[in-house]
Amino acid sequence: DGGITQSPKYLFRKEGQNVTLSCEQNLNHDAMYWYRQDPGQGLRLIYYSQIVNDFQKGDIAEGYSVSREKKESFPLTVTSAQKNPTAFYLCASRRTSGASYNEQFFGPGTRLTVL
Amino acid sequence: GQQLNQSPQSMFIQEGEDVSMNCTSSSIFNTWLWYKQDPGEGPVLLIALYKAGELTSNGRLTAQFGITRKDSFLNISASIPSDVGIYFCAGQAQGGSEKLVFGKGTKLTVNP
Repeated sequence: DGGITQSPKYLFRKEGQNVTLSCEQNLNHDAMYWYRQDPGQGLRLIYYSQIVNDFQKGDIAEGYSVSREKKESFPLTVTSAQKNPTAFYLCASRRTSGASYNEQFFGPGTRLTVL
Repeated sequence: GQQLNQSPQSMFIQEGEDVSMNCTSSSIFNTWLWYKQDPGEGPVLLIALYKAGELTSNGRLTAQFGITRKDSFLNISASIPSDVGIYFCAGQAQGGSEKLVFGKGTKLTVNP
């Protein structure tokens, strides 16, 4: 089955530690996205990538970093510089051509709790 | 960043009732998408709209792309308990093909 996987589902870290969230897709999508979701809020864009080895900052990139070394993978690192990292993190992907290229498909999410 | 105005924020209805929610923007959108999110899960795409005036159905769900291209509506008919969740609208603004803009969601509660 094609889809997007995020691991782990729940992640606990101590304050001051960097942590990397995994996102893998086998949909052959070129573009991938990371969003942060806080209770009662919409989705806020952290970083996105249109193509391998290239990525752009979203609206709330401070304290986060990404890499895009493979088409299938777009890991997100939450660094110690992120002031309030506890949140639900969602990865998404989409095609960049074709009739429905605007449609983003989401993974199941990772809930990060910083203690 | 830009956000969509989604209303209502929450709805409490009885099973069997119909539901309506909408999203509005101050700018023109080329695409409107409607997602549903269950607690602790990622959003699932319900309906995609690409043309002004377009009316699309997915089972008991019907969505419309407003003719002004600045709004969209989602209707759920004959609600059932599994309709519970948060419904998000999202749109691709004219000239903004790389990113989607999201509403803050409508939380739906269905009483059996």
